[in-house]
Amino acid sequence: GAVVSQHPSWVICKSGTSVKIECRSLDFQATTMFWYRQFPKQSLMLMATSNEGSKATYEQGVEKDKFLINHASLTLSTLTVTSAHPEDSSFYICSASRVEDTQYFGPGTRLTVL
Amino acid sequence: AQTVTQSQPEMSVQEAETVTLSCTYDTSESDYYLFWYKQPPSRQMILVIRQEAYKQQNATENRFSVNFQKAAKSFSLKISDSQLGDAAMYFCAYRSAGGSEKLVFGKGTKLTVNP
Repeated sequence: GAVVSQHPSWVICKSGTSVKIECRSLDFQATTMFWYRQFPKQSLMLMATSNEGSKATYEQGVEKDKFLINHASLTLSTLTVTSAHPEDSSFYICSASRVEDTQYFGPGTRLTVL
Repeated sequence: AQTVTQSQPEMSVQEAETVTLSCTYDTSESDYYLFWYKQPPSRQMILVIRQEAYKQQNATENRFSVNFQKAAKSFSLKISDSQLGDAAMYFCAYRSAGGSEKLVFGKGTKLTVNP
């Protein structure tokens, strides 16, 4: 149990376009979902926390207009990178938490912006 | 604010032997959770073990066990009978029991398993 999926697993896009990444909890309802960014050989950096039906809470320094988060249901959260630029290229990981307070992670999405 | 420190950027172990990864944390809270996550080359974060601070008994999951020293704010991970598949980045993480659900991660320890 506690499987989290992410789609797509990798995406290449042109500068200026928008990219949507989906995060789904497959076998449980997630009270909270999280979005992280990970640079090579570094730890995970929390970008935002989202709860179903409410606005996401962004970490300091994360542009909410650039990284749009929608938590449409207890099993789905989406991250849209708007007007992507090469500096947005990174590995994005989502996680979902169940009632026992453990976060389970998706497999990640590698975004490359040309 | 809570912090998590992993003082060993890299560790290596021979296959079948035992290795211990260190983690210390700083908090003024009395109730919290601690986790070890593994990130293999696939980059999928996998939960290895979880410990509730109010439990004195150290958590164990098969070949993985922790040494939780609450007073010393130490949470080390012991991997017994190391296998090639254990090679990965290991992250220690802290979560408050109340309020914020955020995980505070350490910088990670890269574990190499030598055949």
